[in-house]
Amino acid sequence: QQPVQSPQAVILREGEDAVINCSSSKALYSVHWYRQKHGEAPVFLMILLKGGEQKGHEKISASFNEKKQQSSLYLTASQLSYSGTYFCGTSVYNQGGKLIFGQGTELSVKP
Amino acid sequence: GAVVSQHPSWVICKSGTSVKIECRSLDFQATTMFWYRQFPKQSLMLMATSNEGSKATYEQGVEKDKFLINHASLTLSTLTVTSAHPEDSSFYICSARDYQGIDTQYFGPGTRLTVL
Repeated sequence: QQPVQSPQAVILREGEDAVINCSSSKALYSVHWYRQKHGEAPVFLMILLKGGEQKGHEKISASFNEKKQQSSLYLTASQLSYSGTYFCGTSVYNQGGKLIFGQGTELSVKP
Repeated sequence: GAVVSQHPSWVICKSGTSVKIECRSLDFQATTMFWYRQFPKQSLMLMATSNEGSKATYEQGVEKDKFLINHASLTLSTLTVTSAHPEDSSFYICSARDYQGIDTQYFGPGTRLTVL
């Protein structure tokens, strides 16, 4: 089942912060965050693993609440280059690394 | 590292013809690759999982005979859209699973298919 992301869209001024949430109805093994710009491939940002391990982008942070089956992506001091659509991809145990993606959050950073 | 290429980047074909899309992992071996379809302003919808040396696993609702997947080597998977129709027009993206680094998927640049 597809995870649910919120908000669906957000507009920021440069330097402002944003939080994007991802919620699943299934017990998760990992959560993967990607950013996609229009007409381009999704770019990997971060992975959060059950047990608390995080790997990925240095300037972006995220959290993973295993009990609530939720993850949040924190974008601080946003830059114009942060604009794009953010997707969370969730995986469960014994699915061969298959990811199911949320519907996306469109982030626009204005000067 | 973790670069995935896709070819072609765009293709226009006539209804009834077949189109082959290639996905290559350039700097790592990928025993598992995935094929997605994306409509404008929508999410990535997983079509199938491609495993090297074995048959692909298709998601529910995806026609196996229409979307043929072959994963012939550790760096190449192909998707063939057979007897394409206008409703098959979409953005097709592949990804490759990198086990050895961060165990995540790296995406190719996508292929825009337009069927006339």
